[in-house]
Amino acid sequence: RKEVEQDPGPFNVPEGATVAFNCTYSNSASQSFFWYRQDCRKEPKLLMSVYSSGNEDGRFTAQLNRASQYISLLIRDSKLSDSATYLCVVRGLTTDSWGKLQFGAGTQVVVTP
Amino acid sequence: SAVISQKPSRDICQRGTSLTIQCQVDSQVTMMFWYRQQPGQSLTLIATANQGSEATYESGFVIDKFPISRPNLTFSTLTVSNMSPEDSSIYLCSVEARGPSYEQYFGPGTRLTVT
Repeated sequence: RKEVEQDPGPFNVPEGATVAFNCTYSNSASQSFFWYRQDCRKEPKLLMSVYSSGNEDGRFTAQLNRASQYISLLIRDSKLSDSATYLCVVRGLTTDSWGKLQFGAGTQVVVTP
Repeated sequence: SAVISQKPSRDICQRGTSLTIQCQVDSQVTMMFWYRQQPGQSLTLIATANQGSEATYESGFVIDKFPISRPNLTFSTLTVSNMSPEDSSIYLCSVEARGPSYEQYFGPGTRLTVT
């Protein structure tokens, strides 16, 4: 079983609509969670960290559910420029995994006019 | 966030040769990492580049194939040795920020094609 699993999509979203997707992680000791955005042929860029209480950054809202071991990302009022692959990233806690990130395979979002 | 540059940005190499990729950061950082992203896949950690000591390699990656240098807190190199077409990939360096969640930031990547 993969440590971080995501629905690969694609999620086809009309411009202005809302899209949400989840990511599940297997290590219950994971402590830090992130959403990265990766455009085609570019490096991943940090979109937002995910905090226990959930957090919002403009049109983006991230939630963490430790009991069910998943995080979610919601994008409101989608823009064409939101089209990208969204990577769910989880960081380990144990001594030998500190600093190491586990990456999901990514969820592709395509925003259409 | 740190500004990270990588050289070269891309290269096409013949099998059996080696390529050294450079990663430069505009500020001193403790943790630097090297990743590989194969076509259509997510990122896989190759190793953690430690300043003043040998790199720490992940399972499936060895020093003879991917020697790493970290001479100071702003620079690291990754060499892909004795290349084969299976080494064709994007190689990315990353650095860890001193934020509350220790986020990682990535360089622009080096796109390697081995023929």
